[in-house]
Parts: sequence; structure tokens; C-alpha cells
Amino acid sequence: QVTLRESGPALVKPTQTLTLTCTFSGFSLRTSGMSINWIRQPPGKALEWLARIDWDDDKFYNPSLKPRLTISKDTSKNQVVLTVTTLDPVDTAAYFCARTHHIDGYHFDYWGQGAPVTVSS
Amino acid sequence: QSALTQPASVSGSPGQSITISCTATGSDVHDHNYVSWYQQHPGKAPKLILHGVTNRPSGISNRFSGSKSGNTASLTISGLQAEDEADYYCTSYTSRNTYVFGSGTKVTVL
Repeated sequence: QVTLRESGPALVKPTQTLTLTCTFSGFSLRTSGMSINWIRQPPGKALEWLARIDWDDDKFYNPSLKPRLTISKDTSKNQVVLTVTTLDPVDTAAYFCARTHHIDGYHFDYWGQGAPVTVSS
Repeated sequence: QSALTQPASVSGSPGQSITISCTATGSDVHDHNYVSWYQQHPGKAPKLILHGVTNRPSGISNRFSGSKSGNTASLTISGLQAEDEADYYCTSYTSRNTYVFGSGTKVTVL
């Protein structure tokens, strides 16, 4: 059974750095073609893809946010971490992690339940 | 920079069919072969309902179907049911190994 769960602070101050962890089970990030993505959704707004890390440690970022994002993985712990620097209230959103398995295609087949993050002083 | 445009809202009566379009602008988007669709109920995570334009994951009703024509992909919901009331998003993989999401469509069952 594939599961993903996001964790991190619910409230952060402007200019601070946000660190979010995606803990997953039911598959391995050592499997060829496997990837974990981060996606966010501001309240009442559309989904926005942020970043992806592949089984071979390749990393890809949303060009408009790339300077502020870092994605990494700890395969032994089944975890992927996303950091977002220089937070602003517009970064307030639900942050989701989602799996893609490129052997099957380029779609997000499993999602976490989302972690709400509010950026406010 | 690529973008995917969807209608803000679509509505229909129970039993009817509705279609949601997803129109791509920009050269990054693969020719819609990597379009997928997601259903999102309020307060919930998105759920994959179609991938590779027309493929339904296991457990997804065959009332959901997909197609493409030119730079527009479409999701059709047949036999509309109350439980179909949700937000729907298209997304596409791009030639820069990134993803772009559509603007989202709110489906209302009248």
C-alpha cells in the first residue's frame, strides 16, 4: 500500500526558511523511474508544481521559484525534504508531496493529504 | 513559459454530460501526450482520474474520458452525478522536465 505524508511547521514568519518533509511507504525511491514531487495550493487557488527529485538524484525546479527551492532525499529513511527560503505571505498554501513513476507515465499517481502552511508575522 | 487554460466553471444537471477543456499555450508543453487530469474535493488532496490523455487508473469510473485535438485536451464526464461536484485540474509534463497545472475548473451539479 502506497502512502505519503507531509510534515512541517504550520506557521512561519516572513523572511524565514520553511522545511517540509515527505515520508512515504509502499515503494522505494531506489526504483528506476521513481520520483517525488512537491506541489502547493494557496487558499482558493490553483495547484502549482514546485520541484521533483528522481531515483538517481536528478532534481528539477519550477523556474519561477528555483532560486528559493532545494529538494533532497534520504532514501534510507524513505523521506524527501523541500526547503523554501525567504518566505512571504504569498507562500501561504497547502503543500503536497506526490509520486510519479516514469515507467508508467508522467502523472502524479499517489498524493499525501497536504500540509497547511501559513506565513505571517 | 507554458500555460494551461481551463474554463473557471462548468455546470450540468444529473445524468448530463459535460466537457472541460485544457488549452496549452507556449512551446514547452509536450503535444498533450503527457496530459493528466485530477479531481479535488474541498479540503482533500487531488486524485488522479486520467493520464496519458485517455487512460483511467484502476478504480476510476468509465464515466470519465479524455481526448485531445490540436493544442486542447478535454475531459468529459458522462452521466453526471452529485459526487462529481469538485474542482478539476489538468496538468502536462514539459520539455524542460517540469510540470504545469491548469487554472482549474469548478464543476457544479445543478
